[in-house]
Amino acid sequence: DVKVTQSSRYLVKRTGEKVFLECVQDMDHENMFWYRQDPGLGLRLIYFSYDVKMKEKGDIPEGYSVSREKKERFSLILESASTNQTSMYLCASNPTGAPQETQYFGPGTRLLVL
Amino acid sequence: AQTVTQSQPEMSVQEAETVTLSCTYDTSENNYYLFWYKQPPSRQMILVIRQEAYKQQNATENRFSVNFQKAAKSFSLKISDSQLGDTAMYFCAFMKLGTDKLIFGTGTRLQVFP
Repeated sequence: DVKVTQSSRYLVKRTGEKVFLECVQDMDHENMFWYRQDPGLGLRLIYFSYDVKMKEKGDIPEGYSVSREKKERFSLILESASTNQTSMYLCASNPTGAPQETQYFGPGTRLLVL
Repeated sequence: AQTVTQSQPEMSVQEAETVTLSCTYDTSENNYYLFWYKQPPSRQMILVIRQEAYKQQNATENRFSVNFQKAAKSFSLKISDSQLGDTAMYFCAFMKLGTDKLIFGTGTRLQVFP
């Protein structure tokens, strides 16, 4: 079974702090994704990566950056956390060019910024 | 740009009954995939069912089936013999062939009552 894990289930941070959210997948997938999930808005893509050190902006990249130094690990960075970044963050992965494989999701990190 | 619309924010159904969740999408593409995902309370998002646009036959997975109307750009999910474990958020998603990226609807919260 594909396993996607996220470093924390719950996180509380203060405004202005630098926040790291880590995601690891164990199926050698090329693609990794970061979404945020908000009530009434569904899932919105923040960034995705299709290979090591490669990244592309999604629909809402402002205030976020990412890092992919190893194939299995994709980090989301909030350079200076703000209260409007309070949300549920979901990581996902899938293999390239195999839409029938769809995406496998991590359990999510619920971030509260005070 | 593609969009996915779920017009029912919340639905409820009694155990053993049948319920249908609606999803419409907008695209000019001819080849794509459609998905329904399930997110149980405090648990990981999982794939329920997928449909390839080039297939006319509606996908079925046990108690879950879809009504795919390509011309109408409609992709509804029917859950038969509803069970308490079906209580979850359900997301409809679209993937354009060759992109590996999902576009999500805003979700429908389904409550199954005993």
